[in-house]
Amino acid sequence: GQQVQQSPASLVLQEGENAELQCNFSTSLNSMQWFYQRPEGSLVSLFYNPSGTKQSGRLTSTTVIKERRSSLHISSSQITDSGTYLCAMDPSSGSWQLIFGSGTQLTVMP
Amino acid sequence: NAGVIQTPRHKVTGKGQEATLWCEPISGHSAVFWYRQTIVQGLEFLTYFRNQAPIDDSGMPKERFSAQMPNQSHSTLKIQSTQPQDSAVYLCASTPTDNNQAPLFGEGTRLSVL
Repeated sequence: GQQVQQSPASLVLQEGENAELQCNFSTSLNSMQWFYQRPEGSLVSLFYNPSGTKQSGRLTSTTVIKERRSSLHISSSQITDSGTYLCAMDPSSGSWQLIFGSGTQLTVMP
Repeated sequence: NAGVIQTPRHKVTGKGQEATLWCEPISGHSAVFWYRQTIVQGLEFLTYFRNQAPIDDSGMPKERFSAQMPNQSHSTLKIQSTQPQDSAVYLCASTPTDNNQAPLFGEGTRLSVL
């Protein structure tokens, strides 16, 4: 079965609303990451190996490694936040092989 | 620093033709990865090089796909006898292996096999 369950698959917000994205992992993990994929396809790392809660601007990542879950909170969404958000896990130390979730397609409307 | 450079950005091939995709990692990065992204399968790991040596190719299809890294400045992914199911965005990423840093991705090559 899928090792990374990401939800929701898609989300439509009005500008200014908040968003909560979730990832659950079915196996133990060494580390995990959150990425943003721009509409043209390039991937940008948002958070790398976060544990606990970390914040970067309007983004907050909360990860509990031993419970195999992570969430990404986007506050006061903006139109430019639109795109795909992906979580990914590194299942074992030294493997360097990321296993990605299926992504959340976020659309922020004016 | 121009980031990870992938060429071409778009490639269209006919069924049965060969496709070669290029990746130039960030200078000084010793780990290079290839991933493939499709609507159905999402993002999938293909292969990984460290210091130009192939380390893990467990995600590569056993036939028609091959990857090389002849020098530290570029890696290639070659697909022989392309099939429509090979159509995908192929992403390359690099990272320095001696630091715990997130991989940096290129913008990808969109391959369309007609």
